[in-house]
Amino acid sequence: AQTVTQSQPEMSVQEAETVTLSCTYDTSESDYYLFWYKQPPSRQMILVIRQEAYKQQNATENRFSVNFQKAAKSFSLKISDSQLGDAAMYFCALGPYNQGGKLIFGQGTELSVKP
Amino acid sequence: KAGVTQTPRYLIKTRGQQVTLSCSPISGHRSVSWYQQTPGQGLQFLFEYFSETQRNKGNFPGRFSGRQFSNSRSEMNVSTLELGDSALYLCASSPASTVETQYFGPGTRLLVL
Repeated sequence: AQTVTQSQPEMSVQEAETVTLSCTYDTSESDYYLFWYKQPPSRQMILVIRQEAYKQQNATENRFSVNFQKAAKSFSLKISDSQLGDAAMYFCALGPYNQGGKLIFGQGTELSVKP
Repeated sequence: KAGVTQTPRYLIKTRGQQVTLSCSPISGHRSVSWYQQTPGQGLQFLFEYFSETQRNKGNFPGRFSGRQFSNSRSEMNVSTLELGDSALYLCASSPASTVETQYFGPGTRLLVL
């Protein structure tokens, strides 16, 4: 079975500070994508960052970066210089190559940003 | 390009009724995936359609079905609604049958009374 686990239901960060959200996953597949999605109160799912499992280099998108540890099956998201607009539910997701458009999501981490 | 659209945005039904939700993908996208989001179960994959064929199916009862039309628009149908079907239903479109470039719609919120 393929699973994604986010062990932090809630996190809080001070504006302009850095926060790291944790994610672990389990799959027997060798080729897969990993994602972090953001879901603000509007409920629209927004892609934050994507990592292909065969790439050793950690993905970075502006203030967002990941720490991908393939052997440990760990995929954490670091948000630097946190902004009020970063407050949202964050979901980690696994997408095996051979399963088309199927994503397996974690339970989510609710991030609040304090001014 | 216009994004993924879902209609209706909100829906109230009673137990035993059936419901049809619609998803229009981004122009040129041929794959549509459907997800159910509930507070208890989180986000769960329902099924994916690509070029009018169901490619993948999640672990949902047969009351949940879908289809895709030649213009890539997709519908999902839930028959004999149960209270537990109350959820946010999200669809996502992609150019191909892959999660690499999957874009989500705003969702349809279904309430079953």
